[in-house]
Amino acid sequence: SAVISQKPSRDICQRGTSLTIQCQVDSQVTMMFWYRQQPGQSLTLIATANQGSEATYESGFVIDKFPISRPNLTFSTLTVSNMSPEDSSIYLCSVQAGSETQYFGPGTRLLVL
Amino acid sequence: SQQGEEDPQALSIQEGENATMNCSYKTSINNLQWYRQNSGRGLVHLILIRSNEREKHSGRLRVTLDTSKKSSSLLITASRAADTASYFCVEVGGTSYGKLTFGQGTILTVHP
Repeated sequence: SAVISQKPSRDICQRGTSLTIQCQVDSQVTMMFWYRQQPGQSLTLIATANQGSEATYESGFVIDKFPISRPNLTFSTLTVSNMSPEDSSIYLCSVQAGSETQYFGPGTRLLVL
Repeated sequence: SQQGEEDPQALSIQEGENATMNCSYKTSINNLQWYRQNSGRGLVHLILIRSNEREKHSGRLRVTLDTSKKSSSLLITASRAADTASYFCVEVGGTSYGKLTFGQGTILTVHP
């Protein structure tokens, strides 16, 4: 299994600003993922964070809006840039730790005013 | 992975009753997984059933898989108020390693 922490757990931000979310895993993992869950909706995959290379983004998500870093095998950040109220969501990171099971962080609840 | 479709969308029961949620999928799978999310928090992996398995148990959870019908069910026995959550099934095929696609889920409410 893997234990994942995220910072911050929640934040309220002003329109036009940026927020960086951190994801820390207690073990080295190859694959880390970032998801978004808009209010009342299911989870949508934003991107796969690759160590040592650029993240792989899903359709509808771009690097300029959601830059991702993956400096090592236990850490990743997701930045939500130039925020608008539509970015208000829960952002979750997850990892695939050896088995086929994914482990999720507790999420970062973001409100953009 | 592909998107499983859960049914019903919402389920409301009394504590002690059993809860059954169904999931249908469209493609061939390696495995199918069920996750739980409590009130907008992180997801918890509940159980994984492989394509060559028909039934699996974990505590009060029982999952069945019918590959001929491309369907799965999750049964929670003797439900508790703490089981109140959203439940998602995710079908995992062979070509999209690690990428999970979530459906809308079933919102289960267990009344004390």
